[in-house]
Amino acid sequence: ETGVTQSPTHLIKTRGQQVTLRCSSQSGHNTVSWYQQALGQGPQFIFQYYREEENGRGNFPPRFSGLQFPNYSSELNVNALELDDSALYLCASSLRGLSVRDGELFFGEGSRLTVL
Amino acid sequence: GDSVTQMEGPVTLSEEAFLTINCTYTATGYPSLFWYVQYPGEGLQLLLKATKADDKGSNKGFEATYRKETTSFHLEKGSVQVSDSAVYFCALTSGAGSYQLTFGKGTKLSVIP
Repeated sequence: ETGVTQSPTHLIKTRGQQVTLRCSSQSGHNTVSWYQQALGQGPQFIFQYYREEENGRGNFPPRFSGLQFPNYSSELNVNALELDDSALYLCASSLRGLSVRDGELFFGEGSRLTVL
Repeated sequence: GDSVTQMEGPVTLSEEAFLTINCTYTATGYPSLFWYVQYPGEGLQLLLKATKADDKGSNKGFEATYRKETTSFHLEKGSVQVSDSAVYFCALTSGAGSYQLTFGKGTKLSVIP
């Protein structure tokens, strides 16, 4: 059973550019969530995808967007990068459709984005 | 909105010392409470959880009790090891069908031999 894998592990972009981060969910998991973890902070919820649709969204602007594919893998896209977008981006998959209340989230190691 | 407040770190302890990491929360409804751990170079892992008041979550010698009256979920371990060195995050999810976790800022623990 493979865990959650993310790519790339590190990347550097300049302000105004666009970035795509990728996530493969744990085998059999149908829900993917994305979190942003700024340095010295806890993860903040960006959005969740279930059945290829955005299921819920945190307090992030529309330039943060995502996709989920039929194999449950997912992408996070960020347009018009700003310096404050520098962070560790975490992907988490889960088995239950909507609620994390009783289940567990399985996190990847993250993609560290630096915006110069 | 929901929020989680953790004690500031970093925390440095000698091996076999007693550990407490304080966590308090603000939430609507009846939240589930979690402790996640992030070991160096690894992803976040669920350490323990409690889904209702007075529940005690436990794992790997760590314990935390869901205290509704004090809105707290403090993490404790009687005797820490060097291998417990990590960043610990308190988190919650609230409401039926909730889809997101709200995390605290994390507390870095270093255990020295």
